[in-house]
Amino acid sequence: KQEVTQIPAALSVPEGENLVLNCSFTDSAIYNLQWFRQDPGKGLTSLLLIQSSQREQTSGRLNASLDKSSGRSTLYIAASQPGDSATYLCAVREDGGGSNYKLTFGKGTLLTVNP
Amino acid sequence: EPEVTQTPSHQVTQMGQEVILRCVPISNHLYFYWYRQILGQKVEFLVSFYNNEISEKSEIFDDQFSVERPDGSNFTLKIRSTKLEDSAMYFCASTRGWGNEQFFGPGTRLTVL
Repeated sequence: KQEVTQIPAALSVPEGENLVLNCSFTDSAIYNLQWFRQDPGKGLTSLLLIQSSQREQTSGRLNASLDKSSGRSTLYIAASQPGDSATYLCAVREDGGGSNYKLTFGKGTLLTVNP
Repeated sequence: EPEVTQTPSHQVTQMGQEVILRCVPISNHLYFYWYRQILGQKVEFLVSFYNNEISEKSEIFDDQFSVERPDGSNFTLKIRSTKLEDSAMYFCASTRGWGNEQFFGPGTRLTVL
C-alpha cells in the first residue's frame, strides 16, 4: 500500500528565505506526482505536476524535483513571501497500467513565512 | 480560468439523514473524483467516475455512498444515513484525461450532529 510522508510537518521561516519541502513515497511505481497548496479551511490549489519520466518542473518561484527510484520529491520555494504561508501537500498517482485513478496524499507541511 | 465549483459550502445535518453534495467540474473534463478530509487528517480518495460509471473506489466508499452525473454539468455525492464520523470536508476534482493534473473544488464542509 502506497504511503506518502512529508517532512517537516511544520516550518517557519523569515521572509525572503529560500526553502525546501520534502515528500517521500514507499512505492516507486508512480505515474505522476502533484504538489498542492491548501489555505486554512479552503480547497486544494494545484501547483505543479511532474510526470514519472520527468526530473523537475518549474513555475515561477517554485521548482519541484522528482527522484522516482528513491521515492522522493522536493518542492523548492525561492525568495519566500508571507503570502506563501499555507499547507503544502504532496500526492502521488500510482502506475497501475491505466486502472489507477486516485491520488494518495501526504499529511502536508504547514509553512509560515514571517514578515 | 475555468474552475471546479461545489455547493453548498457548508452543510449541517442530523445523524441518520441523507445529504447530497454537488459539484460542477470543469466543462471539458471527463474524469471526476470525490475525496474527503477529516479535520487534521490526510486527504483521502473516495471514488472516481468516468464514462458514466465508477472506475475506482476506496474501501471507505461503501453502500452508504453513491455518485451520479445527472446531467451534462453536475456530479453529485449522496451519503445515506449519515454518521457522526462522516463529518469532514468533501472535495470534488476533475481531470481532462486519465493521467492529467487534478483540479479541486473549494470543498463542502459536512457537519453531522
